[in-house]
Amino acid sequence: SQTIHQWPATLVQPVGSPLSLECTVEGTSNPNLYWYRQAAGRGLQLLFYSVGIGQISSEVPQNLSASRPQDRQFILSSKKLLLSDSGFYLCAWSVKVDEQYFGPGTRLTVT
Amino acid sequence: KQEVTQIPAALSVPEGENLVLNCSFTDSAIYNLQWFRQDPGKGLTSLLLIQSSQREQTSGRLNASLDKSSGRSTLYIAASQPGDSATYLCAVRPWHNNDMRFGAGTRLTVKP
Repeated sequence: SQTIHQWPATLVQPVGSPLSLECTVEGTSNPNLYWYRQAAGRGLQLLFYSVGIGQISSEVPQNLSASRPQDRQFILSSKKLLLSDSGFYLCAWSVKVDEQYFGPGTRLTVT
Repeated sequence: KQEVTQIPAALSVPEGENLVLNCSFTDSAIYNLQWFRQDPGKGLTSLLLIQSSQREQTSGRLNASLDKSSGRSTLYIAASQPGDSATYLCAVRPWHNNDMRFGAGTRLTVKP
């Protein structure tokens, strides 16, 4: 069966510090991968998606970036965090445009 | 631009009641619609996926319907239980596009 992991589960970082969140998927090959952000009181916002290694599409201009160094690994990064980057970050995968499955999320607080 | 709306934003019912959650979307050119459940501080759990060619899907006590032409979907929960308390989100995917759009969710509380 397929599983999706995210770490860390929670993170508290000061403004201006770098960020690296990791997502890995097991039990499937060549999945579509997604990064979402869920801010308090707001819906999910798609940040990035990837249909293959090294292929990243950005949905929202921001100071975040994403990379896919391996087939089942998706990384969300920032060189300098802003207060507005606080939120709940969710990684998801799907086979092509089929059903999406989400990871447990990372709670990021920028102080 | 696709807009997804969920009404009501919050709902509280006594245990045992049947209930309906609503989802509406502005662009009927969708590929599929997915209902999720989210517990506080957790990720999303997929409940049901309806393809654009389908009218409904059922899983246990859950039944989701889709009326693409009117831009509506409903999630019916039969015989609600306290364990059903969570936020329910719907999301629509457009054709040949990965830009899935989510509603803000309905926060359901089932009181014992």
